[in-house]
Amino acid sequence: AQSVAQPEDQVNVAEGNPLTVKCTYSVSGNPYLFWYVQYPNRGLQFLLKYITGDNLVKGSYGFEAEFNKSQTSFHLKKPSALVSDSALYFCAVRDEDTGRRALTFGSGTRLQVQP
Amino acid sequence: DVKVTQSSRYLVKRTGEKVFLECVQDMDHENMFWYRQDPGLGLRLIYFSYDVKMKEKGDIPEGYSVSREKKERFSLILESASTNQTSMYLCASSFYRLWGAQGTDTQYFGPGTRLTVL
Repeated sequence: AQSVAQPEDQVNVAEGNPLTVKCTYSVSGNPYLFWYVQYPNRGLQFLLKYITGDNLVKGSYGFEAEFNKSQTSFHLKKPSALVSDSALYFCAVRDEDTGRRALTFGSGTRLQVQP
Repeated sequence: DVKVTQSSRYLVKRTGEKVFLECVQDMDHENMFWYRQDPGLGLRLIYFSYDVKMKEKGDIPEGYSVSREKKERFSLILESASTNQTSMYLCASSFYRLWGAQGTDTQYFGPGTRLTVL
């Protein structure tokens, strides 16, 4: 079975400071990993994904994520937070080896960037 | 740009009513998905479809059914709505596999339907 954990319900950071939103996963095979963002009353928007290759993945709006196989983590990062980054962030995983096409999502982390 | 549309942004229904939620995508995607989103629980998969007339149960299919008569359209049906089905419903679509392309596996979401069952 595939699963995702986002250990923090909320992350608070001051504008201009670096931010990290944590994600750990569990799969039996090779993981496909995703980050999505949700702004109020909107659907989810794709930010970035890891399929294979470089462990550091760059995505939209200046976000990046680092795949760490030994720690089974895929933390989302940004060097300098903006107030407009305040939103709900979801990590998701798909186990390539199971053939299941659907993603399993974490419970979400609310990012609050203070001016 | 991929576009996934859902028939309603807000819907209010009464207990016992039959409810239809419609989703349409314009990118010829094979896969389509229905999730529900609840605070603290993230997104949970209800059903998905990988081809016309094909469907598979997700993690929480009880009380729901789906229909996919055309490739671009995927409907979620609540046969007899109950108050515990009050939630945000999100539809998504994706290619099955597109080797070497950025579109591989990425799911694209509609804006969501907030359903309230009274």
